Amino acid sequence: AQSVTQLGSHVSVSEGALVLLRCNYSSSVPPYLFWYVQYPNQGLQLLLKYTTGATLVKGINGFEAEFKKSETSFHLTKPSAHMSDAAEYFCAVSGGWGTGGGADGLTFGKGTHLIIQP
Amino acid sequence: DGGITQSPKYLFRKEGQNVTLSCEQNLNHDAMYWYRQDPGQGLRLIYYSQIVNDFQKGDIAEGYSVSREKKESFPLTVTSAQKNPTAFYLCASSPQGTPPFFGQGTRLTVV
Repeated sequence: AQSVTQLGSHVSVSEGALVLLRCNYSSSVPPYLFWYVQYPNQGLQLLLKYTTGATLVKGINGFEAEFKKSETSFHLTKPSAHMSDAAEYFCAVSGGWGTGGGADGLTFGKGTHLIIQP
Repeated sequence: DGGITQSPKYLFRKEGQNVTLSCEQNLNHDAMYWYRQDPGQGLRLIYYSQIVNDFQKGDIAEGYSVSREKKESFPLTVTSAQKNPTAFYLCASSPQGTPPFFGQGTRLTVV
């Protein structure tokens, strides 16, 4: 079984400030972890992923996340927020790749709505 | 252009009717997925398929059915047994060793 908890359904930061979105997971197997972003009435776009190897992963649009096994966390950060970062962000966990090579069905957190104040 | 196409974008259904949501991909991905999204609930997995002619139930499969007769197609039927079908439905597909790519979604409303 696996689960994801995103702390804070809404996070508000000023433009230019640090963005920190929190994600904690539980998994009975070594996890694969992902962050997705969703703009209103759109599908989800992958920001970054952790599967194996380096625990600090860099993604698109200046975002990065660090896998901390001891804390079961995968927090998303960006040094300087931009107005275009306003969106819904989802953390997800998978137990690996299935028989067809695709990800075993991902389990998503409930999402964090990021608000950027001018 | 390669991608995942969900149609229609908006769909209205009368209570007691079955309705089928279309999902087509031309990315040659083996794995395909259906998720349901409700406000404040995140995404919940309905069904997924790793290969043609095989699929597995996700966390909320009751009231839904799928088929996977072709690699590029994974239609979802919302049956009358689904008590609260109004939601945003997202289809996704995944290549080997890569997390899923998502379509633009279908918003289903029961009237």
